[in-house]
Amino acid sequence: QKEVEQNSGPLSVPEGAIASLNCTYSDRGSQSFFWYRQYSGKSPELIMFIYSNGDKEDGRFTAQLNKASQYVSLLIRDSQPSDSATYLCAVNRGNTGFQKLVFGTGTRLLVSP
Amino acid sequence: DAGITQSPRYKITETGRQVTLMCHQTWSHSYMFWYRQDLGHGLRLIYYSAAADITDKGEVPDGYVVSRSKTENFPLTLESATRSQTSVYFCASSESKGGLDTIYFGEGSWLTVV
Repeated sequence: QKEVEQNSGPLSVPEGAIASLNCTYSDRGSQSFFWYRQYSGKSPELIMFIYSNGDKEDGRFTAQLNKASQYVSLLIRDSQPSDSATYLCAVNRGNTGFQKLVFGTGTRLLVSP
Repeated sequence: DAGITQSPRYKITETGRQVTLMCHQTWSHSYMFWYRQDLGHGLRLIYYSAAADITDKGEVPDGYVVSRSKTENFPLTLESATRSQTSVYFCASSESKGGLDTIYFGEGSWLTVV
């Protein structure tokens, strides 16, 4: 079992719809969770992080964390074609703050006009 | 406002040759990292550094050597390149030890070993 698992996709949604991206992790001691977006041929860029159970909203993006079930999700509202990218879930296993991220393999999102 | 720059961006080398990928950051971030990204594996940490002259192994360090004599530079050397080291390599940096600090990635170096 991989430490961080994501469905590779592609996840196809029409423009304007809500895209839901999911991630599960195996280490119950994980402290913080990150979502990165990576366009083809480019480097990952941070979208948002979450460390408390519940929802965290930032513009069109909402991260959801459920530590009991060991999953974290990213919702993208009003999806745009420019959101088409691979979304990487990353988990910080460090318990003293040092950032040693473990990445999932990513979910490819395709938003059609 | 260069941030993190990697060089070369693209490299083709032969099996057995030594290759060095350069990484330079202008932010004076304490922490620097090298990741490789392969299909089906995602990003995997090769080495990281907490400060100048302090380095440590990550998940996949075999076949790689790093050094950090200056805060701003963190070169990655493949001592004797193998085909399995064909990958995209990302250098990254982080400001401090905080668990929520953002990691900033360089643009990547595409390495092909033939």
